[in-house]
Amino acid sequence: GQQLNQSPQSMFIQEGEDVSMNCTSSSIFNTWLWYKQDPGEGPVLLIALYKAGELTSNGRLTAQFGITRKDSFLNISASIPSDVGIYFCAGQASNTGNQFYFGTGTSLTVIP
Amino acid sequence: DTGVSQDPRHKITKRGQNVTFRCDPISEHNRLYWYRQTLGQGPEFLTYFQNEAQLEKSRLLSDRFSAERPKGSFSTLEIQRTEQGDSAMYLCASSFREGWGEQYFGPGTRLTVT
Repeated sequence: GQQLNQSPQSMFIQEGEDVSMNCTSSSIFNTWLWYKQDPGEGPVLLIALYKAGELTSNGRLTAQFGITRKDSFLNISASIPSDVGIYFCAGQASNTGNQFYFGTGTSLTVIP
Repeated sequence: DTGVSQDPRHKITKRGQNVTFRCDPISEHNRLYWYRQTLGQGPEFLTYFQNEAQLEKSRLLSDRFSAERPKGSFSTLEIQRTEQGDSAMYLCASSFREGWGEQYFGPGTRLTVT
């Protein structure tokens, strides 16, 4: 299947700092989704991106659909303790049966 | 709108037993998906339904796995003759008919095979 490389694998930051993470694929994707998952729970959708170059915000979160259509970025500004969790990117390419492929996640720890 | 629900939340079973999980999607969503997630990994696609039709299945879905959505509403995922390698979180998601985007996940069913 498709390989989505998500980086960094983990981050330890101070409360109030900004966070950046990214996801790259070996294929061109038509859609990118970003999720946050807490332990023992299902992923919660944060942002959906549908067009190359698209920049979309959801509160303190901003995500971008890369121009090459092979990458996406998520930024979190002014982090707070409740931002702790695992962030997953998911991408969909129309030439792979339309299913979504998920990255391996970025674990975020916010130190108060 | 109560979101996607899954039942049970946790299941412990002995190897060789059959298990069945249920998913109730968001009511106006007619696409339903099953994923499997193991520790430290992202969800992996298993199968999806549009209404009652199962339109796509992953190669991960062995012959021991079967999914149904008989009336186009709730869905069940059955695993026969469970193996220890089946231990994972089984996630269900649903979305609107138009496109695959914006899938909303349920809380998952954690399966432990002993």
